[in-house]
Amino acid sequence: EAGVVQSPRYKIIEKKQPVAFWCNPISGHNTLYWYLQNLGQGPELLIRYENEEAVDDSQLPKDRFSAERLKGVDSTLKIQPAELGDSAVYLCASSPGVEAFFGQGTRLTVV
Amino acid sequence: QKEVEQNSGPLSVPEGAIASLNCTYSDRGSQSFFWYRQYSGKSPELIMSIYSNGDKEDGRFTAQLNKASQYVSLLIRDSQPSDSATYLCAVNGINDMRFGAGTRLTVKP
Repeated sequence: EAGVVQSPRYKIIEKKQPVAFWCNPISGHNTLYWYLQNLGQGPELLIRYENEEAVDDSQLPKDRFSAERLKGVDSTLKIQPAELGDSAVYLCASSPGVEAFFGQGTRLTVV
Repeated sequence: QKEVEQNSGPLSVPEGAIASLNCTYSDRGSQSFFWYRQYSGKSPELIMSIYSNGDKEDGRFTAQLNKASQYVSLLIRDSQPSDSATYLCAVNGINDMRFGAGTRLTVKP
């Protein structure tokens, strides 16, 4: 069974530029999470989807971050414009109900 | 108060010893508890889930849950150098799945 697939694995952009991350969850997993992880810290929840509905986006900085999950499968997380402090690893996870499984993450560096 | 707190570490144990990792949580309504292992530069990997009070064993790993004390622990018996990683405690409650900051474990040969 294929795991959670994220792309790109690495991204370097200049500040004020836009960036987008893509996630393909495990087939059949209705729940999808986006997390942000800074070095030495645990993952911090940005947004949770149940199918195509965002049921918890309270931690998403909506002035610059946006997310979508079309047709309840793939999801895209966008930052526009990026700031230096956005440098982190962005993790996508999916769940069939309770247990969550992570993709390999996208390491974003904003210079 | 952080929602999920872990002993800060780092924790260092000799090979063959028992490593004990601890976690407390603030949401009394939490129902599901997880331990993830994260190697340096990699993403978190689920290693244990526990849902009811008591112990749950899987190979060399034992998870312990005490909901009254809002406490979760992970014991690793016969620790191996390959167990060296950061261990993340995760709690699933009304505020979705929240993680602790992790405890870095080093097992010395």
